[in-house]
Amino acid sequence: GEDVEQSLFLSVREGDSSVINCTYTDSSSTYLYWYKQEPGAGLQLLTYIFSNMDMKQDQRLTVLLNKKDKHLSLRIADTQTGDSAIYFCAEDGDSSASKIIFGSGTRLSIRP
Amino acid sequence: DARVTQTPRHKVTEMGQEVTMRCQPILGHNTVFWYRQTMMQGLELLAYFRNRAPLDDSGMPKDRFSAEMPDATLATLKIQPSEPRDSAVYFCASGLGGRPYEQYFGPGTRLTVT
Repeated sequence: GEDVEQSLFLSVREGDSSVINCTYTDSSSTYLYWYKQEPGAGLQLLTYIFSNMDMKQDQRLTVLLNKKDKHLSLRIADTQTGDSAIYFCAEDGDSSASKIIFGSGTRLSIRP
Repeated sequence: DARVTQTPRHKVTEMGQEVTMRCQPILGHNTVFWYRQTMMQGLELLAYFRNRAPLDDSGMPKDRFSAEMPDATLATLKIQPSEPRDSAVYFCASGLGGRPYEQYFGPGTRLTVT
């Protein structure tokens, strides 16, 4: 079945790069997503990658996709205190309902 | 600035009481989702609709939860009777239905059942 797994916590020093990793099970997913949840708010789409790409860069964000290993990562360069949040990896679910399968989320904390 | 709205933002109620949460999806969006988030279980999909028709509510405890879309501008999630284990943040999200599946989340309703 569909499943998305990611580690629960990551702590990085301000100014360093953060790398959040994720593994998924559904090799037929067309898109893979990263959502961000700031404290007290709902999730917000950060970026997504089409399954036939292996990298996507958007300013400080770099998404890497290894389709063979079903591994997705999100790299945040020059991590700032405003990047403190929970980051959710997600894959396409049931195409008939536009469903997304979310991972459990990785809580990113920034050390001064 | 189009956004999903949810009311109430916070709700404290006693066990056994009925709770109704409301969501206004973004105008023009045809898919609506209800999620529940807790520290222990993470983000769980409870139910979802396309064009106001319920597609799947297998994530909901059927005996006490119900979800409806009386019209295209309103989705409701009802718990009757509520229990302490229902305490969570309930999110509504809406989307256009086409890939990529961008879902727009509301701010959530924080429910506490005592």
